Amino acid sequence: AQRVTQPEKLLSVFKGAPVELKCNYSYSGSPELFWYVQYSRQRLQLLLRHISRESIKGFTADLNKGETSFHLKKPFAQEEDSAMYYCATLNTGFQKLVFGTGTRLLVSP
Amino acid sequence: KAGVTQTPRYLIKTRGQQVTLSCSPISGHRSVSWYQQTPGQGLQFLFEYFSETQRNKGNFPGRFSGRQFSNSRSEMNVSTLELGDSALYLCASSLGPGGYEQYFGPGTRLTVT
Repeated sequence: AQRVTQPEKLLSVFKGAPVELKCNYSYSGSPELFWYVQYSRQRLQLLLRHISRESIKGFTADLNKGETSFHLKKPFAQEEDSAMYYCATLNTGFQKLVFGTGTRLLVSP
Repeated sequence: KAGVTQTPRYLIKTRGQQVTLSCSPISGHRSVSWYQQTPGQGLQFLFEYFSETQRNKGNFPGRFSGRQFSNSRSEMNVSTLELGDSALYLCASSLGPGGYEQYFGPGTRLTVT
């Protein structure tokens, strides 16, 4: 079964520092990968998906098939980036989203 | 467009009772998925409904059930509540079936005492 692993429960950085939230997936084919974000007291929302190769709020994520990774990056963290970030993948047959356990990003002033 | 709405937002029940949660998808969306979110297990898929049919089901006991109406609104029911059912229950809607580009509701916080 498809699985995504987010090894860090908490990532704490200072404002202006680079951020990399790690995500590794287990899937032998071409995965569909997403990053979702949940800000405090807000609903879970889609941040970006690998297929669109877009940059949202300064975040980017590149699919690395060799390392089976889809790390989320931002060159300069802002305090408003503090949130819970979830990596997710669609399982075989695109029937459901499988989420990682999430990483809490804390950006301090 | 109005977002996904869930009612009620908070619920307190006692063990053994049953509960029904409701989800109204974004207008035009025909697929509704349900997830359970807990600190220990994270986000876990419960089931998905599309065009009033359960399309997929996660690894939850039969006490968890759901349905979808012709207007795409969905309900989930949990019978014989257990303490471990305390969680945030999220509903997500999408245009078509499967998990692609889902929009989440604010969730229903269920506390079982």
